[in-house]
Amino acid sequence: KNEVEQSPQNLTAQEGEFITINCSYSVGISALHWLQQHPGGGIVSLFMLSSGKKKHGRLIATINIQEKHSSLHITASHPRDSAVYICAVRRGTGNQFYFGTGTSLTVIP
Amino acid sequence: GAGVSQSPSNKVTEKGKDVELRCDPISGHTALYWYRQSLGQGLEFLIYFQGNSAPDKSGLPSDRFSAERTGGSVSTLTIQRTQQEDSAVYLCASRRGGTDTQYFGPGTRLTVL
Repeated sequence: KNEVEQSPQNLTAQEGEFITINCSYSVGISALHWLQQHPGGGIVSLFMLSSGKKKHGRLIATINIQEKHSSLHITASHPRDSAVYICAVRRGTGNQFYFGTGTSLTVIP
Repeated sequence: GAGVSQSPSNKVTEKGKDVELRCDPISGHTALYWYRQSLGQGLEFLIYFQGNSAPDKSGLPSDRFSAERTGGSVSTLTIQRTQQEDSAVYLCASRRGGTDTQYFGPGTRLTVL
């Protein structure tokens, strides 16, 4: 069983919809990272969280340490948001990140 | 400004050959990571460099894999006696000290025939 599970694996939404992507993990962590991988393969770091909530533009990330769960929300989704969203966790003080297999999002105009 | 660059962008090699993959991090970034992404698999941590400290090699899958970082800048990932299961996209990322954001390179797609 993967230490980091994401859901859903695939998601199709209409432009303008509110989107939620979930990440659950089974180990104690010191930080959680949300990444965006575009169809061409390029990866962009979106958020690094250790508690609470962060917001950047239309993107909001939350984390509940007790429940070992994080969500990435996209408000007013747009076709350019189409990408694979990847959750990664860092355990303790180590440097190694453990990755989920990603959620593939397609936003239809 | 220049981002993280990697070379080559694509590499096709025969089983048993050695390959070297290069990463040029963003200038001034002290932390450097290597990851690999196999087809249909998630990202996998390989190795981490921070300044002049000993690297964290805990993610390297076998002793055929090694990496160096010269002068705290350019890094080379070497795979000896390549196997077909080594076929993947190898990604490098760098990070400025004291910050959390990693900046990823475009990756090197390695195909072992």
